[in-house]
Amino acid sequence: EVQLVQSGAEVKKSGESLKISCKASGYSFTSYWIGWVRQMPGKGLEWMGIIYPGDSDTRYSPSFQGQVTISADKSISTAYLQWSSLKASDTAMYYCARCHRIGYIDAFDIWGQGTMVTVSS
Amino acid sequence: SYELTQPPSVSVSPGQTARITCSADALPKQYAYWYQQKPGQAPVLVIYKDSERPSGIPERFSGSSSGTTVTLTISGVQAEDEADYYCQSADSSGTVVFGGGTKLTVL
Repeated sequence: EVQLVQSGAEVKKSGESLKISCKASGYSFTSYWIGWVRQMPGKGLEWMGIIYPGDSDTRYSPSFQGQVTISADKSISTAYLQWSSLKASDTAMYYCARCHRIGYIDAFDIWGQGTMVTVSS
Repeated sequence: SYELTQPPSVSVSPGQTARITCSADALPKQYAYWYQQKPGQAPVLVIYKDSERPSGIPERFSGSSSGTTVTLTISGVQAEDEADYYCQSADSSGTVVFGGGTKLTVL
């Protein structure tokens, strides 16, 4: 079964660092782009960035460039999203999602269950 | 990068047809994709490449494209279709964009 399993909910304080994960299984991890999507409470979906694990080619939304880092570890089929200094405004649900076609950035056909990040000031 | 504009809400009665539009603000229009998201759940892909339906998605979901506007049509709406719907596209540089979302209410 193709699936993405994300790490559990996090409660952090402003200024702390954080790295959340997204473990892939059931397919060739290095062949498909994986993206990260933010959803703030009661709000819509926002694309943060995307990585191709095969060569670590990474693209960021201008809104998130410099605010987060996306990475991947091929050896354990896991993608990551990290912050060096969290803000209260980072409180949101974060989803990882796999692109539909090998090697293309297109539809997200497989989604993780989401990781809720709560940041208190 | 460009923007995708959706109506904030659409309401229909059970059995009727719901149409949700998504307008791009630039040409050329790339393929569009549609997601359904129910409360507390991750989004689910319901349409890709403007009009293709993934396996397991009911036939009442369809998509179409005209100019810079794509439309998600749900025929014979059921109560279970009440959800938020998002369109999404990706430009030639690999930048992904989501529409603001449309809340479908089944009256």
